[in-house]
Amino acid sequence: GQSLEQPSEVTAVEGAIVQINCTYQTSGFYGLSWYQQHDGGAPTFLSYNALDGLEETGRFSSFLSRSDSYGYLLLQELQMKDSASYFCAVSAYNQGGKLIFGQGTELSVKP
Amino acid sequence: EAGVVQSPRYKIIEKKQPVAFWCNPISGHNTLYWYLQNLGQGPELLIRYENEEAVDDSQLPKDRFSAERLKGVDSTLKIQPAELGDSAVYLCASSLTGVNTGELFFGEGSRLTVL
Repeated sequence: GQSLEQPSEVTAVEGAIVQINCTYQTSGFYGLSWYQQHDGGAPTFLSYNALDGLEETGRFSSFLSRSDSYGYLLLQELQMKDSASYFCAVSAYNQGGKLIFGQGTELSVKP
Repeated sequence: EAGVVQSPRYKIIEKKQPVAFWCNPISGHNTLYWYLQNLGQGPELLIRYENEEAVDDSQLPKDRFSAERLKGVDSTLKIQPAELGDSAVYLCASSLTGVNTGELFFGEGSRLTVL
């Protein structure tokens, strides 16, 4: 089976750095993805890690430790527009491109 | 390039009525997914197509839900009859077949309210 855990909500101020953690239990783990979703909008892809280490894309970075079944999304220089829900999602071998999503973390950025 | 297109964006029906949702994936994306998203939850896979073949439909409640992708492009998801608990957002996504990059392209979803 597959399960993911991430905090339900996080609050931070503009300009700060925030880290959203994700732990997973997945048979045949292949990779960990992160998605952003604004209220009423489509989930949009942020990053993907298949190997251990840090991937950086602008203000967003994502980290994976396969041995710890753990990853995180790091958001730097927070902006008000970053207020949204963030989902981690796992993919597994022999599952095509299928993703299993966590329950999401609601990020509130305050002025 | 157009993204994944879904319609209708919103639908309100009474329980026991039928409803259908339509999805047009990104051109060239042979893999299509239907996900269900309840309020405050993550998306849950209902069915995955590779071309016109449903390769993963284990989470689809087949007593009332059906889906088709007749020509391997557009897809329709149907609920008949709808129940109160079916109120949710139905998301369609697409991706390239055989490419596991963790990236799915989602439409904006069809929000269903069952009264």
